[in-house]
Amino acid sequence: DAGVTQSPTHLIKTRGQQVTLRCSPISGHKSVSWYQQVLGQGPQFIFQYYEKEERGRGNFPDRFSARQFPNYSSELNVNALLLGDSALYLCASSLRGQGPHDPYNSPLHFGNGTRLTVT
Amino acid sequence: KQEVTQIPAALSVPEGENLVLNCSFTDSAIYNLQWFRQDPGKGLTSLLLIQSSQREQTSGRLNASLDKSSGRSTLYIAASQPGDSATYLCAAVPMYSGGGADGLTFGKGTHLIIQP
Repeated sequence: DAGVTQSPTHLIKTRGQQVTLRCSPISGHKSVSWYQQVLGQGPQFIFQYYEKEERGRGNFPDRFSARQFPNYSSELNVNALLLGDSALYLCASSLRGQGPHDPYNSPLHFGNGTRLTVT
Repeated sequence: KQEVTQIPAALSVPEGENLVLNCSFTDSAIYNLQWFRQDPGKGLTSLLLIQSSQREQTSGRLNASLDKSSGRSTLYIAASQPGDSATYLCAAVPMYSGGGADGLTFGKGTHLIIQP
């Protein structure tokens, strides 16, 4: 079975531009989460979507937005890029939602990420 | 706000040694504690998940323990091998705060090198 796939693998953008990152979850997984990992740091939570609804949002500005499609794939959009947005963006899928109203016991399966460089 | 700290930041040991990686968290109100492995330029691979009601989990040569009262978790790797070289991250899953799923709070990781 295919794991979590992300595209593109690498991306170079200029300050002020907009970028869209894509994620396909493992087949049967209904939850997708997005994380930002700056070099030398642990990943930071951006969004979680479950059944096409936003279930959680981390401490990121409104320039960051996301959505989940009927086939459970997801896109992360970042507008007005800043140099500080340069990072590895990780998508993770899980069988169920990651919240107390859903069993929080489903391990997260991560993709290999999209490396975004903003110049 | 939950903070997760991992000690040491880096570790280099000869092959065959048993080793312990440490993880501490400031807020004991967690659902579970997860350990991940990250190879250079790659995503994260889930290693072990310890539910808040559990004390430990084992998978092969890996054993993870959880002490919520002291805010600590340890990952024990037995008979280390060069293939174990990677960055190991722990992450705490917070209790529901009423606003929605809060995601995992990660530490910065321990960069492990196993010398052949």
